[in-house]
Amino acid sequence: DAKTTQPNSMESNEEEPVHLPCNHSTISGTDYIHWYRQLPSQGPEYVIHGLTSNVNNRMASLAIAEDRKSSTLILHRATLRDAAVYYCILRDGSSSNTGKLIFGQGTTLQVKP
Amino acid sequence: NAGVTQTPKFQVLKTGQSMTLQCAQDMNHEYMSWYRQDPGMGLRLIHYSVGAGITDQGEVPNGYNVSRSTTEDFPLRLLSAAPSQTSVYFCASSYRDRNYEQYFGPGTRLTVT
Repeated sequence: DAKTTQPNSMESNEEEPVHLPCNHSTISGTDYIHWYRQLPSQGPEYVIHGLTSNVNNRMASLAIAEDRKSSTLILHRATLRDAAVYYCILRDGSSSNTGKLIFGQGTTLQVKP
Repeated sequence: NAGVTQTPKFQVLKTGQSMTLQCAQDMNHEYMSWYRQDPGMGLRLIHYSVGAGITDQGEVPNGYNVSRSTTEDFPLRLLSAAPSQTSVYFCASSYRDRNYEQYFGPGTRLTVT
């Protein structure tokens, strides 16, 4: 599985946008970019995923660079509830669907009131 | 729907004891998996299953056994507990055709003394 690199930690103010970067320079053409987050003392939860085009859902937006070597998760208005560890994960879309996720260290997001 | 449930929430074992961590889901998901999370680390895959009767090893399978006799249940057995197995254990499940969106349980915090 291709590797991702994320900053260890980031800070944001409440109600401001947050841009969480992820580098994946060895991404292959069939790799999907997934984001999960883990709130304190909880299991991870799915946030968003994409392949080439930017994606939006009710939780966040995903901006993917044209060369796909990096991506950014965008929280449009951070709330205190968004304080969590955010994981950027690459999954090979061409391999057999096994449901495996390979987690890295993630980015710990702190949101200040 | 209860989603993914895990029991127990907390467990303390002595070295050498065995036990089974329970995981159940009521969403008729084909895929189920077990992860462990050590302090300050991301999750690591232990075992996974793509359907009833089918299991396979993940990154860190040693010391653990699984079986999948029904779609709903995916128990994780610790054969002879060791202090190195002190961790938080998460179970996850997903649909075959939407395996990008995995649902995680609340976790079992295991301490081996």
